[in-house]
Amino acid sequence: QKEVEQNSGPLSVPEGAIASLNCTYSDRVSQSFFWYRQYSGKSPELIMSIYSNGDKEDGRFTAQLNKASQYVSLLIRDSQPSDSATYLCAVNKGVSGSRLTFGEGTQLTVNP
Amino acid sequence: EAGVTQFPSHSVIEKGQTVTLRCDPISGHDNLYWYRRVMGKEIKFLLHFVKESKQDESGMPNNRFLAERTGGTYSTLKVQPAELEDSGVYFCASSQDNRGAAGNTIYFGEGSWLTVV
Repeated sequence: QKEVEQNSGPLSVPEGAIASLNCTYSDRVSQSFFWYRQYSGKSPELIMSIYSNGDKEDGRFTAQLNKASQYVSLLIRDSQPSDSATYLCAVNKGVSGSRLTFGEGTQLTVNP
Repeated sequence: EAGVTQFPSHSVIEKGQTVTLRCDPISGHDNLYWYRRVMGKEIKFLLHFVKESKQDESGMPNNRFLAERTGGTYSTLKVQPAELEDSGVYFCASSQDNRGAAGNTIYFGEGSWLTVV
């Protein structure tokens, strides 16, 4: 079993729709959770971090964490073509961001 | 402010040769990390420096890989001798401190693409 699993892609949504990206993790001691966005050939860029159960909103992005279910998700509202990228879920056992464990990523395409 | 920079961006070498990858972290960042993504797999942790000290090198695949960070500034990752399975993207990342979640964003470079033929 992989430590971090993401829903298999690619995921395709129309412009303006909500894109839902899911991630599960196996290690219950994990404490911090991150979503990175990576455009092709570019560096992974942190877009959301979440540490407590519940929702965290930042603009069009909402991260949701459920530690009991070992599940973290990212919702992108009003999806734009510029959101087309690979989204990486990363998990860390501590409260800091060191030693991230990544999922394989979900490729999202937003169609105009 | 300059981001994490890596050199070279692409490298093609023959099996058995040596390659040295360089990373310049964001100025003032004590924490420097190396990660690797091989084809079709997830990004995996290799090691973590705090200043010039290796904090965690448990992700290094074998003794053909040597990372250094003399002086606590830039870092190099040497692969000697390179094997076919070493092909992939090597990412360097840095962060300001390791004490708490707030503000401890890890910034990644664009990666060094290594192809071993």
